[in-house]
Amino acid sequence: AQSVTQPDIHITVSEGASLELRCNYSYGATPYLFWYVQSPGQGLQLLLKYFSGDTLVQGIKGFEAEFKRSQSSFNLRKPSVHWSDAAEYFCAVAPPGYSSASKIIFGSGTRLSIRP
Amino acid sequence: DGGITQSPKYLFRKEGQNVTLSCEQNLNHDAMYWYRQDPGQGLRLIYYSQIVNDFQKGDIAEGYSVSREKKESFPLTVTSAQKNPTAFYLCASSPRLAGDTDTQYFGPGTRLTVL
Repeated sequence: AQSVTQPDIHITVSEGASLELRCNYSYGATPYLFWYVQSPGQGLQLLLKYFSGDTLVQGIKGFEAEFKRSQSSFNLRKPSVHWSDAAEYFCAVAPPGYSSASKIIFGSGTRLSIRP
Repeated sequence: DGGITQSPKYLFRKEGQNVTLSCEQNLNHDAMYWYRQDPGQGLRLIYYSQIVNDFQKGDIAEGYSVSREKKESFPLTVTSAQKNPTAFYLCASSPRLAGDTDTQYFGPGTRLTVL
């Protein structure tokens, strides 16, 4: 069955430190991959997405993610976090060429806290 | 400004009452979606609509109903049949359903608490 796993429920990093949030998926073929961010009590904002091509994807707010087919992973990274990055981060997958929202699968999220 | 609005932000209802959550978008998007979010879980799809006057059940449609009479509006009714309605509800829309670059845009959410 298709699934997406975010192994870390909660991560705390110091302001200015680097960040990596993990996302692993189980899928028959290479899916479409997304990272969203959610501030407390707010909706989700798309950070970046991967459909094909270059496996290193640049997103908004200085985030990037790298698709690694051999590891079935799509980890999110940022070289230097800011206090405003504290939020919940969701990885999501969808079948290639998807045309229905019912096929999108969201991970359970990773909550990021920033230490001053 | 273009975007998706959800109202109200917080909603309290007594057990056994139906309640309707509003979702409006002025992005001229064809598709709209309703998700439910519970603590420590990802988003689960309740209903979605590809075009006006058409909608489909998602993974957890039981106890919910929707309508799509206008392109910009997709209200969700949480009925008394929903066993555990207290949750955070998110509405989303996307510019078109078919295609490689579909992206969902989310509203700010409504937190429903049933007392």
